Formats: sequence, structure tokens, C-alpha cells
Amino acid sequence: NAGVTQTPKFQVLKTGQSMTLQCAQDMNHNSMYWYRQDPGMGLRLIYYSASEGTTDKGEVPNGYNVSRLNKREFSLRLESAAPSQTSVYFCASSESPLAPQETQYFGPGTRLLVL
Amino acid sequence: AQSVAQPEDQVNVAEGNPLTVKCTYSVSGNPYLFWYVQYPNRGLQFLLKYITGDNLVKGSYGFEAEFNKSQTSFHLKKPSALVSDSALYFCAVRAPSGGSYIPTFGRGTSLIVHP
Repeated sequence: NAGVTQTPKFQVLKTGQSMTLQCAQDMNHNSMYWYRQDPGMGLRLIYYSASEGTTDKGEVPNGYNVSRLNKREFSLRLESAAPSQTSVYFCASSESPLAPQETQYFGPGTRLLVL
Repeated sequence: AQSVAQPEDQVNVAEGNPLTVKCTYSVSGNPYLFWYVQYPNRGLQFLLKYITGDNLVKGSYGFEAEFNKSQTSFHLKKPSALVSDSALYFCAVRAPSGGSYIPTFGRGTSLIVHP
């Protein structure tokens, strides 16, 4: 099992460009999440998908869109990148959408630099 | 609303000495508490969790954490630190019911173990 995979690992964008971050999991998990990690800020939730076919906003959704393509895949799109979106992005998954005791499994991250 | 505080941005300890990384939380009801570790340029990895039962929880790599309900704390401990324990540690809390099951993460504590 590869667990949670993310592509690309690193990306440089110019202000105003768009891109999509890809995430896939092979653990048959129902729930998937996108976080951003900034120094001194910890992890902040951008969007999540409790189950296939549903998506919801997290703490910092502005400037982002998501698509739960199928049970395995959850993508994050930046339509018009801004320097404030320079961050490390993590995708995570967990088995059950309504089980708060569930552990989350994280991908290796995507480092995004917006110039 | 639920919240987590990790009061120390950085903890320094000599190899072989005991270590403690502090975490306090605020949540309605009985909490589900988690510790994750992040090694450089990697995603977060699950260490241990408290759901119910024994207040002392044992996890991976010799780590343990003690749940203290009266002090609303869940400190991470290890009897003898290794240089390889140097990493970023995150505490997270989830409410058991009646609200969002999405976890809230602390800002992280950088643990540095000196040879």
C-alpha cells in the first residue's frame, strides 16, 4: 500500500497562475482533507470531504476549490495563485466520516511557492 | 469551539534525558486526543491517541502521553530521548459528538535532542 500520495512534490507559480494539487489514497477511506502548514500556524484545514460526493469548507477556504473525483482522489485547485498561498499543502484521509476517534493518514506534502 | 495549545515552540533536551512536550485542550465533553510527529520534509505520522480508559497511553517509538482531565492536558513524554526523536510534534483534539468531527491541531512544538 502506498497510503496517501500527492503530486507534485514541489511547484513554483507566478501570481495569477492556476494549478491543481492531486491527492490519492489506496486505503479505501471515506474521508479526505486538505490542510496548509505555515510556520507558527500549525495545520489549518482548507476543505474536507466526509464521503464521496460531498465537500465542505474548512477554516481557510478562500482562494481554493476542491473536487472529490471518486473515493480515492481529492484534488485542490488554486484558480489564481497569490503570494499568500505560498505554503506546504498536506492531504490526509481517515476511514469513517463520523468517527472522531479515527486516526488521520497524511501524504508527504506539496511545497508551493508563489512569486 | 474546540482548541489546542502547545505552549512551547521549541523544546531542547540532551540525549538520554527524559522529554516532555506539553499540550492543553479545550472541548465540550470528553475529548479524543492525538499526537502526531513530522520529520523534516515528511507528512505527519500518527504516534498515539487517547479515546477512553487508562489515562496513560503508550504509542510508537517509546512515546507515551498522560491524559489529565482536571488540568485539561495531554502531555507527550519519553523516558530517554534519542537524537532521532528530533522532529515537529503536533497535538490534536476532536470533540466526541454534537459538533464537528474535524480535528483541531496545535501550532506544533519543535523537539531538538542534542547528542
